[in-house]
Amino acid sequence: GDSVTQMEGPVTLSEEAFLTINCTYTATGYPSLFWYVQYPGEGLQLLLKATKADDKGSNKGFEATYRKETTSFHLEKGSVQVSDSAVYFCALKDYGGATNKLIFGTGTLLAVQP
Amino acid sequence: SQTIHQWPATLVQPVGSPLSLECTVEGTSNPNLYWYRQAAGRGLQLLFYSVGIGQISSEVPQNLSASRPQDRQFILSSKKLLLSDSGFYLCAWRSREISSPLHFGNGTRLTVT
Repeated sequence: GDSVTQMEGPVTLSEEAFLTINCTYTATGYPSLFWYVQYPGEGLQLLLKATKADDKGSNKGFEATYRKETTSFHLEKGSVQVSDSAVYFCALKDYGGATNKLIFGTGTLLAVQP
Repeated sequence: SQTIHQWPATLVQPVGSPLSLECTVEGTSNPNLYWYRQAAGRGLQLLFYSVGIGQISSEVPQNLSASRPQDRQFILSSKKLLLSDSGFYLCAWRSREISSPLHFGNGTRLTVT
């Protein structure tokens, strides 16, 4: 079935460091891909999305490119801030496959130190 | 603009007691509604979703139930809580447009003692 695999955390970085959080997926159809962010004590918020191969989603300095050849959607940011500390979830929605629900990865905790 | 309200924010309940968590959405009509659970150190597990009033789909067998008495109201319930029901419960909605994202409430932290 459809699934999302994220790198395990926590990821601990110093402020202004480069961030990569890996995400790969398995889907039977043509998924849309999402990154959600969960700040401490809150629900999830959509960070960015991409709906087809080679699309690049971007928001708040974060970017992720939909790579169909490697079935990946890695999240990157060139210079992280303390305020980026949160849990990041990769997710997919497969419109052409057997399921029509949003499937989440297990989340990756990012801790940015000043 | 659309907003989603979820309450209470935190809840401590004894084993065997009933549960009712409520979620309401404003500013949209006929949304798809979802209940997720986030257990400590784990990702999100979809518990229930609803595409309309009175229409509930259950994703996993469990001690919980859901109801949708009104178009923009989604309730998560249990008759008798178990210790394993502890977790962070998130309500979410999305429109019926293709590739529309999920919008989450702020969650309810449930501790069963």
